Amino acid sequence: EPEVTQTPSHQVTQMGQEVILRCVPISNHLYFYWYRQILGQKVEFLVSFYNNEISEKSEIFDDQFSVERPDGSNFTLKIRSTKLEDSAMYFCASSEGQGQPQHFGDGTRLSIL
Amino acid sequence: AQSVTQPDIHITVSEGASLELRCNYSYGATPYLFWYVQSPGQGLQLLLKYFSGDTLVQGIKGFEAEFKRSQSSFNLRKPSVHWSDAAEYFCAVHGGGATNKLIFGTGTLLAVQP
Repeated sequence: EPEVTQTPSHQVTQMGQEVILRCVPISNHLYFYWYRQILGQKVEFLVSFYNNEISEKSEIFDDQFSVERPDGSNFTLKIRSTKLEDSAMYFCASSEGQGQPQHFGDGTRLSIL
Repeated sequence: AQSVTQPDIHITVSEGASLELRCNYSYGATPYLFWYVQSPGQGLQLLLKYFSGDTLVQGIKGFEAEFKRSQSSFNLRKPSVHWSDAAEYFCAVHGGGATNKLIFGTGTLLAVQP
């Protein structure tokens, strides 16, 4: 069964540094998403992406965040200047269409020191 | 605004016992509803979904859920729990329309006793 893959599984970064989290969505899916889960808290929506542009973003997704689909297979989340509170598990997801089930990767655990 | 409530933070059941995990949602129209399971160190795996039609939906791993509009609920059930079902379970709602996002509940952590 096709799946969403995320790399790396764990990223440790110094505060203030830039980090890029990578995702390969399921190949025939058109919608892509990033969510995050701070330890002990609920999964929160960050951003959705369709047709090479952001279709929706949450209040969390401020100017330090950006997303990109640099080629036909990868989908990345960049955090420009990381803060301690960015430490979380970041999940990538994809879906065939709007409202269709979203399929999640195993996540990248981001630890900011 | 849409919201999801999972009243039970932690549930312990004995292996072989039945299971019901509660989920209540707040949404004006008929929502799209989902249950996901997260095993330790893993991502979110889709168990089942409700879009419309039959209010009792079957999912993977022997799970089912029933949509009850009158109670704004979408409870997850399994008749006989296996030790491998120990995980965290998340209910989520998708509002449809223009939004793409899933709104998740806080999760229910299931422990299974031998």
